[in-house]
Amino acid sequence: AAGVIQSPRHLIKEKRETATLKCYPIPRHDTVYWYQQGPGQDPQFLISFYEKMQSDKGSIPDRFSAQQFSDYHSELNMSSLELGDSALYFCASMGTGSYNEQFFGPGTRLTVL
Amino acid sequence: GQSLEQPSEVTAVEGAIVQINCTYQTSGFYGLSWYQQHDGGAPTFLSYNGLDGLEETGRFSSFLSRSDSYGYLLLQELQMKDSASYFCAVRERRSSASKIIFGSGTRLSIRP
Repeated sequence: AAGVIQSPRHLIKEKRETATLKCYPIPRHDTVYWYQQGPGQDPQFLISFYEKMQSDKGSIPDRFSAQQFSDYHSELNMSSLELGDSALYFCASMGTGSYNEQFFGPGTRLTVL
Repeated sequence: GQSLEQPSEVTAVEGAIVQINCTYQTSGFYGLSWYQQHDGGAPTFLSYNGLDGLEETGRFSSFLSRSDSYGYLLLQELQMKDSASYFCAVRERRSSASKIIFGSGTRLSIRP
């Protein structure tokens, strides 16, 4: 069965650089969530999209932006990277009518040097 | 404020039963979910409770009491592969793609 795809899996950037993370949800899933997870911490909700429209925003810095495209894939754009942005970034998708089960991608490990 | 409280660590013996509790305080409530996460892996969905009561899925069961803002995950016949972190998560609103808040996670260690 198809799963959520995230790319790249690993990313190393310097401070003040820009990064773009991509997420390809499970086919026919219309909802995408982005999470940030630091070492030993819980996933922190960043932002969500439903049918290509932004739905909710959480603790997402102003330096970050995201969108969902017509093919339902989503991109998280991160600018002016800081050391504290180093974390695992997960994307999760959910299908229509499902209010509970999120399917998580493998994550992108971002390291800011 | 919004918070989900879970024990930080639990240790149990292989073959035993363990219960992981979760109490929540959120601005809204539309269901409590549980996720399992192995080190370095992605969270995987275990169960969901939208209404009060017990939901059973194989060796895992989950319980919810909305009046007490409380739920738990029960793991039976523990296996070594159950060693992982377990997160409770609350959806605040019914609408699609509404914000989901995760608890701080419970690290479950299984001893032979």
